[in-house]
Amino acid sequence: GNSVTQMEGPVTLSEEAFLTINCTYTATGYPSLFWYVQYPGEGLQLLLKATKADDKGSNKGFEATYRKETTSFHLEKGSVQVSDSAVYFCALSGGAGGTSYGKLTFGQGTILTVHP
Amino acid sequence: DTGVSQDPRHKITKRGQNVTFRCDPISEHNRLYWYRQTLGQGPEFLTYFQNEAQLEKSRLLSDRFSAERPKGSFSTLEIQRTEQGDSAMYLCASSFAGGGETQYFGPGTRLLVL
Repeated sequence: GNSVTQMEGPVTLSEEAFLTINCTYTATGYPSLFWYVQYPGEGLQLLLKATKADDKGSNKGFEATYRKETTSFHLEKGSVQVSDSAVYFCALSGGAGGTSYGKLTFGQGTILTVHP
Repeated sequence: DTGVSQDPRHKITKRGQNVTFRCDPISEHNRLYWYRQTLGQGPEFLTYFQNEAQLEKSRLLSDRFSAERPKGSFSTLEIQRTEQGDSAMYLCASSFAGGGETQYFGPGTRLLVL
């Protein structure tokens, strides 16, 4: 079945540092890939997505590129802010046939803390 | 756009009691999903509906769990004979089939079983 593996956390950075959160996946076919973010006290929000190989999703300075050859979808940001402190989840949907299409499979989440 | 809403936001119950949660999706969304999230983990899929039809259920959804979406709008998730292991955040999400499968999540219902 489908699975998503995120880098171990938590991640602690200083403001303006470069961020990478690694995400790899296992799925047959061509899943869609997502990054969701959960700010303290809030619900999950879609951060960005990519639906086919080599697509780059981007939003709020974050980027991730769908790499089918390495089955990866790493999240990057060039200069993080204190307000980026949150839990980040990599997820996928589809890719394994009609019975799993639509539901999301999530990684375990990565806690990011950014200090001033 | 009022977003996805869930009620209640918090529920404390005693082991063995039944609980019911409600989810109101975004009005034009025809797909509705339930997930469960435990501390330090990502959400795990429980079940989903397209309109009023329940199309898939996870093996995580034991026979104590039942979900309905009677008119293809709001949904309820009931847990019978709750156990301490049911303590978790229960998340609802909705999407529009054919709309790129972006799911929009509600704030969740946090259940604590004593």
